[in-house]
Amino acid sequence: GAGVSQSPRYKVAKRGQDVALRCDPISGHVSLFWYQQALGQGPEFLTYFQNEAQLDKSGLPSDRFFAERPEGSVSTLKIQRTQQEDSAVYLCASSLRRMQGVSQETQYFGPGTRLLVL
Amino acid sequence: GDSVTQMEGPVTLSEEAFLTINCTYTATGYPSLFWYVQYPGEGLQLLLKATKADDKGSNKGFEATYRKETTSFHLEKGSVQVSDSAVYFCALSVHSGGSNYKLTFGKGTLLTVNP
Repeated sequence: GAGVSQSPRYKVAKRGQDVALRCDPISGHVSLFWYQQALGQGPEFLTYFQNEAQLDKSGLPSDRFFAERPEGSVSTLKIQRTQQEDSAVYLCASSLRRMQGVSQETQYFGPGTRLLVL
Repeated sequence: GDSVTQMEGPVTLSEEAFLTINCTYTATGYPSLFWYVQYPGEGLQLLLKATKADDKGSNKGFEATYRKETTSFHLEKGSVQVSDSAVYFCALSVHSGGSNYKLTFGKGTLLTVNP
């Protein structure tokens, strides 16, 4: 079946531009995550949605970053007034159930969007 | 805070060689441990996991044992293949606030296997 898809796969932005990155999770998956992966680093958690509710946005690096999932399926990560330090790969992941208790639901990752801010 | 340290790459091996990628961790609570793999042009995939001490995760010939006493989760494979060439990430999550969804990753280790 279809996995997590992300678009665009590559995005070049001029410093100061706004960008919007899209994530299509696996159909029916309740939980959705965004991670940021800088060059040569591992992914770092940004935010978590359970259906349409954003339950954790503790990893968003600044108020220029905003994420939404209005209908509980597709999610958009928006970065306003992009800066060079925002250059990274942005990964989306989804999992079937809500993340609760000690059970560890597998997170399925998309291929990522590579953002380059000039 | 929570952190993962894994051996720096790149690692280059010949086909059928033995593989070890070291991973150690620091955690504020009792972590679950994971290895993810990223093949060229693809997304991260869960390779194996272990949720408590002395558990062994295994998949596709890869193994890793959760060692609480040494805070380690080293990845091993007895005989690598060219198709194992990828970037390998060690990761953990800690049960906090009623859930344990936040994955903390290491920097990744690039493995290249030559025929």
